[in-house]
Amino acid sequence: QSVLTQPPSASGTPGQRVTISCSGSSSNIGGTTVNWYQQLPGMAPKLLIYNNYERPSGVPDRFSGSKSGTSASLAISGLQSEDEADYYCAAWDDSLNAVVFGGGTKLTVL
Amino acid sequence: EVQLLESGGGLVQPGGSLRLSCAGSGFAFSSYAMSWVRQAPGKGLQWVSSISGSGGAIYYADSVKGRFTISRDNSKNMLYLQMNTLRADDTALYYCAKGNRAVGATSSLDYWGQGTLVTVSS
Repeated sequence: QSVLTQPPSASGTPGQRVTISCSGSSSNIGGTTVNWYQQLPGMAPKLLIYNNYERPSGVPDRFSGSKSGTSASLAISGLQSEDEADYYCAAWDDSLNAVVFGGGTKLTVL
Repeated sequence: EVQLLESGGGLVQPGGSLRLSCAGSGFAFSSYAMSWVRQAPGKGLQWVSSISGSGGAIYYADSVKGRFTISRDNSKNMLYLQMNTLRADDTALYYCAKGNRAVGATSSLDYWGQGTLVTVSS
């Protein structure tokens, strides 16, 4: 059981916009910044969004992040086949003194 | 170019020990926190431990507290994870990851290694 809650799966067709949610509490998302990771099949995770909405260099602006209260969202617009991957949200938890991850969302591009 | 190269994984019996290493290059190693994150086969990411750039702040997941020890040697740009009293549920691919700042309390990990596989089985 993960501290952060994500839907196990999401899907969309090429060109569509998809959102993935991440729900937490006041001790994690509500009190700190959220980061998102993309893990392509067979690869190491890659930082996709940091500080709630910022994109590292090289990440397309099709990817965007937002946060409101104790929840966060990752949006992917103009969906492409290469976006098919697992996506994880993460935050620092002040009560646990630990990094907490969501359980991951498997995105399928139909 | 930032590179992280893990080593030390392998097959170990339950109750045994293993020491993982991670060599960092391409960045000012001592200026950044480092973390270990693991992924059991077919499962999601699980944070294991983090250490600040100076080594003065250390954090562990409850599941490994008292069994695992994280450390770093900034003179050698090396990160370590000493794993004792290993259990079957410690079986996973262990990733070394670089934090985006010096403080250890961060979930923003901007570079990851390719991982080293630890299998705990008799």
